[in-house]
Amino acid sequence: DQQVKQNSPSLSVQEGRISILNCDYTNSMFDYFLWYKKYPAEGPTFLISISSIKDKNEDGRFTVFLNKSAKHLSLHIVPSQPGDSAVYFCAASAMVQGAQKLVFGQGTRLTINP
Amino acid sequence: DTAVSQTPKYLVTQMGNDKSIKCEQNLGHDTMYWYKQDSKKFLKIMFSYNNKELIINETVPNRFSPKSPDKAHLNLHINSLELGDSAVYFCASSSTIADEQYFGPGTRLTVT
Repeated sequence: DQQVKQNSPSLSVQEGRISILNCDYTNSMFDYFLWYKKYPAEGPTFLISISSIKDKNEDGRFTVFLNKSAKHLSLHIVPSQPGDSAVYFCAASAMVQGAQKLVFGQGTRLTINP
Repeated sequence: DTAVSQTPKYLVTQMGNDKSIKCEQNLGHDTMYWYKQDSKKFLKIMFSYNNKELIINETVPNRFSPKSPDKAHLNLHINSLELGDSAVYFCASSSTIADEQYFGPGTRLTVT
């Protein structure tokens, strides 16, 4: 039972335009959400996060939106650049047994076309 | 200056063998993790250690045994390897149990 889902396995966007990556979750216990970016043969790297008490967090070209009622979050990248081409993982966090447990989606491969 | 490192990067072995993957972090973090990325690309938590103590142990076969000799190291030993153990294994660390996690480059394990 996958609690975090990224329904688009891939996304292709033209350079300079906006990239929107989506993520849905099912567990209301999640209180913190993160986006990770992954290049081939490397580990995921932290990109941006949002607490469940907020609905928006912005960091430069990256903005994450959270809609708690819909259990949906999205990552906006604008303007998109060729270096943004990577796999993006959405992750949701809950404290379990006194530790942060991250549940990841299956990732969306973003390709930025010049 | 690698923050979270894993060795080896690639590991090919036969069914029934025992193997270990090592992880080291030089970030001074208190908490370390092991994740498994399966063929469907899902990243799933296996274990978490905080200050050398096991705090998360997901439903993982007993053949998998993590060991934390000190706060900077979390090794993963796998006994009697099976075909289904083939995956990419990622180590991660975080400053505390609640902070964002930093991942190593992964170890691709192939069991033949």
